[in-house]
Amino acid sequence: SQKIEQNSEALNIQEGKTATLTCNYTNYSPAYLQWYRQDPGRGPVFLLLIRENEKEKRKERLKVTFDTTLKQSLFHITASQPADSATYLCALDPADDMRFGAGTRLTVKP
Amino acid sequence: DGGITQSPKYLFRKEGQNVTLSCEQNLNHDAMYWYRQDPGQGLRLIYYSQIVNDFQKGDIAEGYSVSREKKESFPLTVTSAQKNPTAFYLCASSILGVDQPQHFGDGTRLSIL
Repeated sequence: SQKIEQNSEALNIQEGKTATLTCNYTNYSPAYLQWYRQDPGRGPVFLLLIRENEKEKRKERLKVTFDTTLKQSLFHITASQPADSATYLCALDPADDMRFGAGTRLTVKP
Repeated sequence: DGGITQSPKYLFRKEGQNVTLSCEQNLNHDAMYWYRQDPGQGLRLIYYSQIVNDFQKGDIAEGYSVSREKKESFPLTVTSAQKNPTAFYLCASSILGVDQPQHFGDGTRLSIL
């Protein structure tokens, strides 16, 4: 069956460290993958999109990698700050509709 | 300011009632979507629409209905046939295209009285 799995429900790190979140997928062949941030009680906000022919993409302190052989994307936040605390969702689009993972809740402690 | 607006923020439903959740966007997007979010689960697609007067069922359409009479509006009705309606409902819109990001509203939390 098709699955999108984000490595853990929660991740706690110390301020200033790099947070690494994982998104694994099964029985999909996406041409691209997206990452979103969701704060409690709010809708997700788009962060980054990476295409299958782009091994890595960066935006400010964010970096995303996409390995179609491993069927995995890694999402990194460098020099993390308490304001980065949120739930991060990966999503891919096999057809006309988007499929989302359950998310990883990141807490950055001062 | 362009955006997507959902109302109300909180909604309560009595047994046997239908309720309608509003979703309006002024982003001039052709595509609109409704998702349901339950704790510990990913967003699940209920319905989506790519053009006025047309819409498609998502994975969990049973017990829900939608309309798309205007480009800007995509209301969702939760009918009495939906036996477990308590959830956080999210509306989104996007430009047409398989790699376009979705823009979300801030959701409606529906509870059963």
